[in-house]
Amino acid sequence: AQSVSQHNHHVILSEAASLELGCNYSYGGTVNLFWYVQYPGQHLQLLLKYFSGDPLVKGIKGFEAEFIKSKFSFNLRKPSVQWSDTAEYFCAVNANNAGNMLTFGGGTRLMVKP
Amino acid sequence: EAGVAQSPRYKIIEKRQSVAFWCNPISGHATLYWYQQILGQGPKLLIQFQNNGVVDDSQLPKDRFSAERLKGVDSTLKIQPAKLEDSAVYLCASDKTQGPTEAFFGQGTRLTVV
Repeated sequence: AQSVSQHNHHVILSEAASLELGCNYSYGGTVNLFWYVQYPGQHLQLLLKYFSGDPLVKGIKGFEAEFIKSKFSFNLRKPSVQWSDTAEYFCAVNANNAGNMLTFGGGTRLMVKP
Repeated sequence: EAGVAQSPRYKIIEKRQSVAFWCNPISGHATLYWYQQILGQGPKLLIQFQNNGVVDDSQLPKDRFSAERLKGVDSTLKIQPAKLEDSAVYLCASDKTQGPTEAFFGQGTRLTVV
């Protein structure tokens, strides 16, 4: 069974700091990878996704993620965070033989101090 | 495009009572999911429908949880009888099914069992 690990449960940054959130998954086959964000009081929204091709994917709001197959990782990055990035971030994996169902990591709660 | 609609937003019940949640997916989305998100954890898949058929219900506690999607559109998730550990946010999501794709999530129903 596939699993997803997000090692940082809580992250606190000041505005303009750089962000990197780790995500590792355990599945040896082909995967589709996602980062979702949940702003306070709102529903889960897609930040970015990787299906194939260029392993460096760019999403909304200046976020990007890099798929490193050899490390089973899909870390999320942003060069300069803003107060409005305060949210919970979830990495999710879909194995190609599992329909489109998602296995989520435990989430990382990011707080950006103004 | 209207999003995934869920109701109610909040529900408080006593243990051993029953409760039902409703979901209306995005129009044209054949696949519908119910996820359970316990506080501090990532969402966990309970059941996946494609049209009105069940694709995966391996993680649904069938002794107390049931779900249906009779006409291939709206879905209901029921818990009977509820336990304290069922306190969670129940998320509904839908997608277009064809190929790798992203899922769209509703705002969820927050259930508190007391």
